[in-house]
Formats: sequence, C-alpha cells, structure tokens
Amino acid sequence: AQKVTQAQTEISVVEKEDVTLDCVYETRDTTYYLFWYKQPPSGELVFLIRRNSFDEQNEISGRYSWNFQKSTSSFNFTITASQVVDSAVYFCALSGGNSASKIIFGSGTRLSIRP
Amino acid sequence: GAGVSQSPSNKVTEKGKDVELRCDPISGHTALYWYRQSLGQGLEFLIYFQGNSAPDKSGLPSDRFSAERTGGSVSTLTIQRTQQEDSAVYLCASSSPGLARHQETQYFGPGTRLLVL
Repeated sequence: AQKVTQAQTEISVVEKEDVTLDCVYETRDTTYYLFWYKQPPSGELVFLIRRNSFDEQNEISGRYSWNFQKSTSSFNFTITASQVVDSAVYFCALSGGNSASKIIFGSGTRLSIRP
Repeated sequence: GAGVSQSPSNKVTEKGKDVELRCDPISGHTALYWYRQSLGQGLEFLIYFQGNSAPDKSGLPSDRFSAERTGGSVSTLTIQRTQQEDSAVYLCASSSPGLARHQETQYFGPGTRLLVL
C-alpha cells in the first residue's frame, strides 16, 4: 500500500526564517513519483515539483529546495528566507509508476509566516 | 482557457437532492481526475478517466457517486441523494498524455465547494 505522512500539522515561523517541511512515504513500487503542491488560502492547488524515484539529486528553485533520500523514504521541502506569501498548506504526494496513476496525498502541513 | 476550470465554484443544496459538478480540463489533456477534500483534510482520490473511459473508480465512496466524460474533454461528477457528509471541496485535475511508465504532472482546478444542509 502507498502512504504519505506529513507529521507536522502546523508550523509557524517569523518572516525570513528558514523552514523545513517533512515528508515520509511508503510504497512497494520500484518506480514512483513524488510531488509537492501548495494550497494558498484561495484554495487552488499549485504544483511545485515532481521527482521520480531514480533521481535522488536534490533540487533548488529560488528560495525552495527539496531533499530526496530513498534510504529514509523522505522527500523534505525547505523554504529559505520565508516570506508572508509563503503562508499556505503544503501537500506532499506520491504516485505509482504507471503511465497515469492516482496521487496519494499526505494530510498537509499548514505553514504560517508571521511578519 | 489556460487552466482547469470547474463549475459551479460554490453549491449549496438540501439533503436528498442530486447535484452535478462540472470540470473542463486543460485542452489536450487526455487524463482527468476527481478528488475530494473534506474540511481541514488532505485530498482523497475518487475516479480517473483516460479519454472517455474510467479505468479506476476505486475512490468513489458509494453508488450515489458517478462520473462521466464525453468527447474526451468535459467531465461531470454526479452525487445523488446528497448527504451532509458529502460536504467537501471537489477538485478536478488533468494531465497530458505521456509515454508508458511516465507519470505526467496533474494540474488542478479551483474546486467546487459543496455544502449539503
């Protein structure tokens, strides 16, 4: 069975602090995909990143970075120098390696950035 | 339009009534998904379409829920005899066709907020 665990329900930090959102996954597939989505107060899910199971190279995009470690089944997300606009619910998600497969979402982490 | 669109954006209905929710995927996307997000919860998969067929309906919670897709484009999710526990945000996503064993990214619409009184 596939499962995604986001143990941090809510995080609150002061603006400009760095913050890491944790994600641990379970799957028996040898090929799989991991995702992060952002859901701002407006409600629409915004795609942030997709990684496949064969690529453990960490990725940086501006203030965002992702650390994928198969050894610990983790796909953590770090925001550097956080800003108020980063306030949102962030979902980590997992899908299988089929050409089209449903996404299993974690329960989300609500991030609040205080000015 | 550029993104996935859904209508209505909000729907309030009385218990026992039927509702229809509509999704217009991104043009050219052959895969379409429906998810449900209950208040303060994560997303729950409902059904997946490839073209007009639905190879995975495993997430539909009961036989009161059904969905169809016509012309490989617009999809309608129908909930019959609505119950209060059906209240949630219903999200639609679409993805572009891909090679075998290549997962395409799903792009989500704004959702329909359903409230059953």
